[in-house]
Amino acid sequence: DGGITQSPKYLFRKEGQNVTLSCEQNLNHDAMYWYRQDPGQGLRLIYYSQIVNDFQKGDIAEGYSVSREKKESFPLTVTSAQKNPTAFYLCASSDGTPHQGYYEQYFGPGTRLTVT
Amino acid sequence: QQPVQSPQAVILREGEDAVINCSSSKALYSVHWYRQKHGEAPVFLMILLKGGEQKGHDKISASFNEKKQQSSLYLTASQLSYSGTYFCGTESNSGYALNFGKGTSLLVTP
Repeated sequence: DGGITQSPKYLFRKEGQNVTLSCEQNLNHDAMYWYRQDPGQGLRLIYYSQIVNDFQKGDIAEGYSVSREKKESFPLTVTSAQKNPTAFYLCASSDGTPHQGYYEQYFGPGTRLTVT
Repeated sequence: QQPVQSPQAVILREGEDAVINCSSSKALYSVHWYRQKHGEAPVFLMILLKGGEQKGHDKISASFNEKKQQSSLYLTASQLSYSGTYFCGTESNSGYALNFGKGTSLLVTP
């Protein structure tokens, strides 16, 4: 079955610690995205990657970092510099970016991060 | 720039119709619609393309007025399964990622 997996589903961390959220896809998609979802705020783009070894900041990249060493993997690190990291994080992928054509995004099940 | 969705929330009885609007201050190339059930991942509904026609998906259809930079999602004869939060995602001329609205919460009651 093709899809996107995110792990873990729930993650708890102490303030001041970095934490890495996993995102893996086996859809052979070039583009991958990270979104943050807070109640009433919709989906806000953190980072996106059009291709391996390339990624771009989204609207709220401060305090986050990513890597894209493999096509199928796009991990997100929430650093201690992120002032309000508690949120629901969604990873998505698509065959291409909107600039390249009209591709739907497939979302993973999400990771709920709680930092205390 | 985040598109604006209206209404923020709507409650329907089964069988009633609803319209959800999405508007942007930027020129749009396409609009995507997604539905998210509580605690789940958003699921793709449809894409509206610039110059394209109104799309349909069962009893859910949508339109895209590129001159007004607006899209509307039409849910007719709503079913209980339509409950969830609907998001529009817009593509402007930067084109590398979508900008999503804050969502419209839809509850269909028996």
